[in-house]
Amino acid sequence: QVQLVQSGAEVKKPGSSVKVSCKASGGTFSSYAINWVRQAPGQGLEWMGGIIPIFGTANFAQKFQGRVTITADESTSTAYMELSSLTSEDTAVYYCARQATSAFDIWGQGTMVTVSS
Amino acid sequence: SYELTQPPSVSVSPGQTASITCSGDKLGDKYACWYQQKPGQSPVLVLYQDSKRPSGIPERFSGSISGNTATLTISGTQATDEADYYCQAWDSSKVFGGGTKLTVL
Repeated sequence: QVQLVQSGAEVKKPGSSVKVSCKASGGTFSSYAINWVRQAPGQGLEWMGGIIPIFGTANFAQKFQGRVTITADESTSTAYMELSSLTSEDTAVYYCARQATSAFDIWGQGTMVTVSS
Repeated sequence: SYELTQPPSVSVSPGQTASITCSGDKLGDKYACWYQQKPGQSPVLVLYQDSKRPSGIPERFSGSISGNTATLTISGTQATDEADYYCQAWDSSKVFGGGTKLTVL
């Protein structure tokens, strides 16, 4: 069974960038899209964007266009999400999720990113 | 931008049926899916393509869609079903609803 394991918690200064990783194990990586979803404290889920590793092309929610970069390394079965120009409003848990048939069927454990001066 | 509307909260007694709605413009033209999220945990997919259950999801979870509204129904609700539930519209935007807190009391 595929598992997605994310990198650990981060504390960042306003204006800096953060890069979160998501490593897949136990199954095929390249042919499924990997998406990124975030959840601010006490708030709902927010889709950020996704990538199909075998194609290397990513798409993004309009809100994050120009500020988020999503990449994938097939050799290590790892996807990355980098968010720049951080503000306190980017404080959230960031999840990666595998996209299967019209849904996100497998989720990572989440990575807490705190933006604080 | 596309929006999905869910009631903030739904309450149900144990053993009864809970229904959670999700409304969006022309939602019936898209697929809807549902996620369950318990405190401190990652979301779990409970329904996809409107009404299909992934392996391991109990039969008491069912779904339907009509017009602009998708509905998640939990029959014979158990205390373990208490959680936040999110709908998602499946198109290029993959937007989520605001979430519904299901309380079993």
